[in-house]
Amino acid sequence: DAGVIQSPRHEVTEMGQEVTLRCKPISGHNSLFWYRQTMMRGLELLIYFNNNVPIDDSGMPEDRFSAKMPNASFSTLKIQPSEPRDSAVYFCASRPTGNYGYTFGSGTRLTVV
Amino acid sequence: SQQGEEDPQALSIQEGENATMNCSYKTSINNLQWYRQNSGRGLVHLILIRSNEREKHSGRLRVTLDTSKKSSSLLITASRAADTASYFCATANTGNQFYFGTGTSLTVIP
Repeated sequence: DAGVIQSPRHEVTEMGQEVTLRCKPISGHNSLFWYRQTMMRGLELLIYFNNNVPIDDSGMPEDRFSAKMPNASFSTLKIQPSEPRDSAVYFCASRPTGNYGYTFGSGTRLTVV
Repeated sequence: SQQGEEDPQALSIQEGENATMNCSYKTSINNLQWYRQNSGRGLVHLILIRSNEREKHSGRLRVTLDTSKKSSSLLITASRAADTASYFCATANTGNQFYFGTGTSLTVIP
């Protein structure tokens, strides 16, 4: 298995632009998580899906953030419009049911200028 | 919000020495996990300990859990330069999501 695949690895965009981050979880993992990591706030859980259904999006900072999981093998995190304070590394992780750890993707480093 | 809090924030040791990191958390947990993050990379799962377990080993890693004190420790024995990374604890309660601490930055000097 190739692991959790995120794209792009790096994204530089101008303030106000729409940004879409993508994630392909490990096949058979039925839970998918989006995290954001910054020096100031560490790792923050933004949203997670179970069997493609959003379960908890209380970590999504604002209405500018939205996430979808149209099928078991694909999820997107969209920021519209983007702002400089959204600059961070965004991680996607997946795990199967049960007492298992996450498998993280390599992250997308977003810079909003 | 994050549940775990690692201590110390930074640790620097000589190769061959043991490294001990601690994690404290606030609420009841179902299990606790430790992760490693190398610079610029994603987190890698190291070990999981259930709430009814007190100690677990995996290679050079030893994890303890004290639910009465709401704390855990990660011991890395005979450290190597390749162990240089940030280490995070993550706790899960009855839900499916994990909350990560702020991490301990470990530097192993060759």
